[in-house]
Amino acid sequence: QKEVEQNSGPLSVPEGAIASLNCTYSDRGSQSFFWYRQYSGKSPELIMSIYSNGDKEDGRFTAQLNKASQYVSLLIRDSQPSDSATYLCAALATGGFKTIFGAGTRLFVKA
Amino acid sequence: GAVVSQHPSWVICKSGTSVKIECRSLDFQATTMFWYRQFPKQSLMLMATSNEGSKATYEQGVEKDKFLINHASLTLSTLTVTSAHPEDSSFYICSAKTLFYGYTFGSGTRLTVV
Repeated sequence: QKEVEQNSGPLSVPEGAIASLNCTYSDRGSQSFFWYRQYSGKSPELIMSIYSNGDKEDGRFTAQLNKASQYVSLLIRDSQPSDSATYLCAALATGGFKTIFGAGTRLFVKA
Repeated sequence: GAVVSQHPSWVICKSGTSVKIECRSLDFQATTMFWYRQFPKQSLMLMATSNEGSKATYEQGVEKDKFLINHASLTLSTLTVTSAHPEDSSFYICSAKTLFYGYTFGSGTRLTVV
């Protein structure tokens, strides 16, 4: 069973702080990884994708990938109350066809 | 670009009736559409994968006769929940793979069966 594991949270950080979200995956053949943000009652929206080991930065977001450890993370700098949402980690399964989602981490940014 | 329009956004139906959910790709051709279900505070669970012009592939444990999927054109895929029961109440989301934007999601349909 291919899985993506996330801490369900909630993770609570003060406004302006760095929020760190973590994820592990079981499928060693996965090559593509994604972070989605999902507001309550809404469908997920893509924040970041990462395919290579190391860091990838986009504005306030930094995704980190370590394939040896099967670990993906998302850092949100200067967290804002509007960042409060559930963050889903996802991995494209071996074969590049199906996307496996984690259960999500709930983030609360306190004003 | 790469927008998937999904409707209805919410629907309430009586137990035993059928509900159809539509997903249309507005500015691209969706050869493949993925259908997910999400229960409260849980992950997105893939139900089935539909390919234009062929039968859908269902995930283990998903009843193909209950969740009818039709992908008759490159821009339209539908999911029909037949003989719906309260346990089918959930958030249903479609997703399509695009050429340049990765996977894009529809806005979701909240189904409540009473």
